[in-house]
Amino acid sequence: GENVEQHPSTLSVQEGDSAVIKCTYSDSASNYFPWYKQELGKGPQLIIDIRSNVGEKKDQRIAVTLNKTAKHFSLHITETQPEDSAVYFCAASNNDMRFGAGTRLTVKP
Amino acid sequence: DAGVIQSPRHEVTEMGQEVTLRCKPISGHDYLFWYRQTMMRGLELLIYFNNNVPIDDSGMPEDRFSAKMPNASFSTLKIQPSEPRDSAVYFCASSLGGIGFTDTQYFGPGTRLTVL
Repeated sequence: GENVEQHPSTLSVQEGDSAVIKCTYSDSASNYFPWYKQELGKGPQLIIDIRSNVGEKKDQRIAVTLNKTAKHFSLHITETQPEDSAVYFCAASNNDMRFGAGTRLTVKP
Repeated sequence: DAGVIQSPRHEVTEMGQEVTLRCKPISGHDYLFWYRQTMMRGLELLIYFNNNVPIDDSGMPEDRFSAKMPNASFSTLKIQPSEPRDSAVYFCASSLGGIGFTDTQYFGPGTRLTVL
């Protein structure tokens, strides 16, 4: 089955700086890679996703890149704001969905 | 739409008791998923349904766990008897369709279960 590894487990940045979270996956058949943001006491919410036929996708301050050959994908958040502080999960799916262990991002004002 | 609705939001029970968690998916969504989240194991898929039919329950930890979806707007996850190691946050999610897991999943707020 799929195995997803996520790094780092915690990340602290200054407001305005960029944050990068990286994930690797094991199943080369995986073709859908969503990123979720989870705030305290809430369920995960999709913030961006990418499919295997695309190498990069951007939505305002958030971007995701996918390297199918290396089987890794990354989340980039630019101009971070305190409200970006949360736990972020990557996931990879084909016939099932596997989540990374999560990254706790703290943005210091 | 109100999003995925889960009840109760918090449940505290004693070991050996039966626990029933409830979920109302987003109207029109064909897929429903039950997840468990713990610090040790992260987010784990327990079971999922397509058009009210259980498709894969390989993630259900033991026979003590069971899930049903009697209609398109309601699902339950039951634990009987409950044990302290079942303490976790249980999430329900739904998606519109697509093939398997390639469509956006919308998560509910979760039920925090504590088994004493």
